[in-house]
Amino acid sequence: GAVVSQHPSWVICKSGTSVKIECRSLDFQATTMFWYRQFPKQSLMLMATSNEGSKATYEQGVEKDKFLINHASLTLSTLTVTSAHPEDSSFYICSVPPGLAVNTGELFFGEGSRLTVL
Amino acid sequence: GENVEQHPSTLSVQEGDSAVIKCTYSDSASNYFPWYKQELGKRPQLIIDIRSNVGEKKDQRIAVTLNKTAKHFSLHITETQPEDSAVYFCAASPDTGRRALTFGSGTRLQVQP
Repeated sequence: GAVVSQHPSWVICKSGTSVKIECRSLDFQATTMFWYRQFPKQSLMLMATSNEGSKATYEQGVEKDKFLINHASLTLSTLTVTSAHPEDSSFYICSVPPGLAVNTGELFFGEGSRLTVL
Repeated sequence: GENVEQHPSTLSVQEGDSAVIKCTYSDSASNYFPWYKQELGKRPQLIIDIRSNVGEKKDQRIAVTLNKTAKHFSLHITETQPEDSAVYFCAASPDTGRRALTFGSGTRLQVQP
């Protein structure tokens, strides 16, 4: 499958600081990337859709001013958690849908980033 | 939007037994149904998927069945092994447009040796 690289794999920060997570599609260009969040022992919940060349689309209940998404290029999307608080501690994982040339619905996931806010 | 429900939340079986996990979905536009295995602290890994034009798909010890009329699909694992122990998620999405997956709540499978 396609390779999606996510960095950092884990980060610990102090409450009130901001943290940036990068997601790179290494095998093909991606005009769309998805950001999911997974709390301990829970499912993956879609936070937002990152769109190259336009604003991200946020799911209901996700604060766009807190979770800043920038689709900087066709291979890079970043998620910045601003003014992080302990309740933002979670596993954040990006995913890339296949290009139109690929006849599969499979999403390709990054390795995930575990954020711990002290 | 899509809503995917998954049962059971936990499942314990003896090694060699079969395990079945069931999911239902709500959006009739969904036509792609993958199953993921996730080990602690790692990304989900696709283990099998099925599209709506197929009723059943099998890959060695793993099979998935789909009843599009009833909007439910199931994962079947035969001859379970301890290494099958993990959390399993079903998901659904349309395979056109945005293609974002909606996940079920997950099933923690424990295979007892």
